[in-house]
Amino acid sequence: QQQVKQSPQSLIVQKGGIPIINCAYENTAFDYFPWYQQFPGKGPALLIAIRPDVSEKKEGRFTISFNKSAKQFSLHIMDSQPGDSATYFCAASMEGYRGSTLGRLYFGRGTQLTVWP
Amino acid sequence: DTGVSQDPRHKITKRGQNVTFRCDPISEHNRLYWYRQTLGQGPEFLTYFQNEAQLEKSRLLSDRFSAERPKGSFSTLEIQRTEQGDSAMYLCASSSQGAREGHEQFFGPGTRLTVL
Repeated sequence: QQQVKQSPQSLIVQKGGIPIINCAYENTAFDYFPWYQQFPGKGPALLIAIRPDVSEKKEGRFTISFNKSAKQFSLHIMDSQPGDSATYFCAASMEGYRGSTLGRLYFGRGTQLTVWP
Repeated sequence: DTGVSQDPRHKITKRGQNVTFRCDPISEHNRLYWYRQTLGQGPEFLTYFQNEAQLEKSRLLSDRFSAERPKGSFSTLEIQRTEQGDSAMYLCASSSQGAREGHEQFFGPGTRLTVL
């Protein structure tokens, strides 16, 4: 069962466009939502992350929008560049209760982004 | 380089052979995770260490898989009697435990396993 559902599977935009990738989750115990960027043959690199106590977070050209009531969050890439062409993964994790710690990441299936020059 | 390192980067083996991968986490990170990623999919959790203690194992981790983290530093993942279905990228990640920082996991470059 996929704990985090991600869409679209692939996305093609022109340089300067604003690709938007969406994710949804069901488990309300999740309290941390990171986005990872992965280039072919490399490990995922942490891009930006948000916690459910805020509705938006910006870092450079990357913005996360978070809707707690809808259990959805999305990544926006402003002024996209060809160098942004990569696979993007949303993920979610939770801390355990009674002092136990989990932290394992549940990943979406990924979105392959292509930015044309 | 102070990032997570993994060795080897690529491993080709014949079905039935044993393989072992190594992960060196970021210094001082007490949490270490192993994930597996197949083509076109997101990473899937395999197991988790806090210091030297293995605290969680996924059902994906069959009896042929074993992981260790002696002395709470580097970790090894061994696969015995490899099968073609074990072909995947094996990723290691580490993080430091903290009130708000503990969630940030940093991944290594991965070990690409091909079982012939």
